[in-house]
Amino acid sequence: DAGVTQSPTHLIKTRGQQVTLRCSPKSGHDTVSWYQQALGQGPQFIFQYYEEEERQRGNFPDRFSGHQFPNYSSELNVNALLLGDSALYLCASMLQTGIYNSPLHFGNGTRLTVT
Amino acid sequence: QQPVQSPQAVILREGEDAVINCSSSKALYSVHWYRQKHGEAPVFLMILLKGGEQKGHEKISASFNEKKQQSSLYLTASQLSYSGTYFCGTAAGNKLTFGGGTRVLVKP
Repeated sequence: DAGVTQSPTHLIKTRGQQVTLRCSPKSGHDTVSWYQQALGQGPQFIFQYYEEEERQRGNFPDRFSGHQFPNYSSELNVNALLLGDSALYLCASMLQTGIYNSPLHFGNGTRLTVT
Repeated sequence: QQPVQSPQAVILREGEDAVINCSSSKALYSVHWYRQKHGEAPVFLMILLKGGEQKGHEKISASFNEKKQQSSLYLTASQLSYSGTYFCGTAAGNKLTFGGGTRVLVKP
């Protein structure tokens, strides 16, 4: 049973560039969330996708955008990269029954470094 | 509002017990607990629901105190494998808001 897979594992970009991160959810899951985790901190919610629509968004600027495909996989796009965007980006999937009683299954993340 | 975890770090000898607290300024309905080892993804431990029972995972258990708006995670007879950073997450809408984490180091 494949878990959540993310690609790439590491990425180095220059300030001002754009980046796309990819995620395939755990088999059977239809809801994908993205989190940003700075070093030594807890994950911060970016947004959640269900049925190819953004269902909820955290306190992140419009430079952060996403997409969900019919096969439930998802992309996170970040434009005009800033040094402060350097972080571990985690994708998490779950069943759409709701966050109150559904655990999140996390991928191993993409480590983004902006120089 | 981010939940507050305490302590920020704890060092244990194998076999010792520890308690990690997660406090919220808002009413709690659902609290998740995850453990993240260095360089790895957070792994789900358990969910506590308002009005629900105390949960357990191996020798790790948790409780939910509605009046105090707090959840506590209990590490009992700790094992070396319990080392890692523990995060609580409070559920609201469609998202989890995570605390800052508690680093746990279990030594032989």
